[in-house]
Amino acid sequence: AQTVTQSQPEMSVQEAETVTLSCTYDTSESDYYLFWYKQPPSRQMILVIRQEAYKQQNATENRFSVNFQKAAKSFSLKISDSQLGDAAMYFCAYRSADNFNKFYFGSGTKLNVKP
Amino acid sequence: DSGVTQTPKHLITATGQRVTLRCSPRSGDLSVYWYQQSLDQGLQFLIQYYNGEERAKGNILERFSAQQFPDLHSELNLSSLELGDSALYFCASSAAGLADYEQYFGPGTRLTVT
Repeated sequence: AQTVTQSQPEMSVQEAETVTLSCTYDTSESDYYLFWYKQPPSRQMILVIRQEAYKQQNATENRFSVNFQKAAKSFSLKISDSQLGDAAMYFCAYRSADNFNKFYFGSGTKLNVKP
Repeated sequence: DSGVTQTPKHLITATGQRVTLRCSPRSGDLSVYWYQQSLDQGLQFLIQYYNGEERAKGNILERFSAQQFPDLHSELNLSSLELGDSALYFCASSAAGLADYEQYFGPGTRLTVT
């Protein structure tokens, strides 16, 4: 089975600074999808960004971007110009490209944003 | 709004009781997933259904069971409840095809066992 590892249980960043959250995964598949979800204090799960493994170009969504290294099985999330509203738990997730739609989540990284 | 609905939003019950949590997936989504999240913890995958059939099982206790009905809504049944079962229970759904492949989460049901 695939595994997703987030090695940073908690991180802090100063407002307006940049922070990078790490995620690695283990898979034998060549085609899959990767995601970062955000869970603010409201505890709603919100999709931040997605990446298709077949795409070499790194995904970006406004201040959020990823560094996808397929060979290294690494999928880090960079948050630029951090805002207080970015404070949340961030989960990395993997989805198989088969029709079984299996998802695997990391243990999460709690991001604190300091004013 | 993700399009996934969960009822009830909050549930308070006593130890030893049985409850049923309900989830309606996004229109057309065939896969339904259940997760348990205790306070300040990660997501614990419980079970996945795909078009009415159980597809994958995670760390689901024997006291818990689930099913997906022909109209694709799903129910998670929790019985002989213990204090440790207090948690936020998420339902999520995803599409069958590859054009729309993310997982959409409902708002969760907050279960408190007293």
